[in-house]
Amino acid sequence: QSALTQPRSVSGSPGQSVTISCTGTSSDIGGYNYVSWYQQHPGKAPKVMIYDVNKRPSGVPDRFSGSKSAYTASLTISGLQAEDGADYYCCSYAGSFWVFGGGTKLTVL
Amino acid sequence: QLQLQESGPGLVKPSETLSLTCTVSGGSITSSGYHWDWIRQPPGKGLEWIGGISYKGDTYYNPSLKSRVTISADTSKNQVSLTLRSVTAADTAVYYCARDYDSSSLFDPWGQGTLVTVSS
Repeated sequence: QSALTQPRSVSGSPGQSVTISCTGTSSDIGGYNYVSWYQQHPGKAPKVMIYDVNKRPSGVPDRFSGSKSAYTASLTISGLQAEDGADYYCCSYAGSFWVFGGGTKLTVL
Repeated sequence: QLQLQESGPGLVKPSETLSLTCTVSGGSITSSGYHWDWIRQPPGKGLEWIGGISYKGDTYYNPSLKSRVTISADTSKNQVSLTLRSVTAADTAVYYCARDYDSSSLFDPWGQGTLVTVSS
């Protein structure tokens, strides 16, 4: 099984919005509404930002939102803040196992 | 508050077996509706799901690692263990344990991770 496809990097200025895409297949993203997104700062463990496509855990700002269309899931961060700069990983259920994306580095300019 | 803590040797020789333990505190690994997973991250690279075990003891593995991996649980110690056989340098990574929820894509919380280096 292959990793989900994410852009290597994205960037935006404070206050702007950015969207990170995550492309899979009919066997993973396209087949289930089990997509989650994780934020990881250097040297730290990943932290869940979105799960089940568009649900936000308590404590995660509503600036973070998720969506899915066909085989592509997206994470949108609005009102960018300096602390949003990190690596972001998508994850999808693929029928008895889980697959992650390769990760996207978000730079806040 | 649920906490997960990975432990084990930081250095393993090529061809040998990697063994790690995840100790869960603040909750039971037999609590209904939860699974306990191992996820790894090679230095400078992305995340890879290794496998998991359900509260009932059912196990699930990444097809690419299935032939070398065993995940088990010790309910008396509230621990989940990972065994990875015949390791190579490609298995060098930070290994995390995490809880996931039945019928959900939520992995939370995660342990802090432990670095395992495969080298002679």
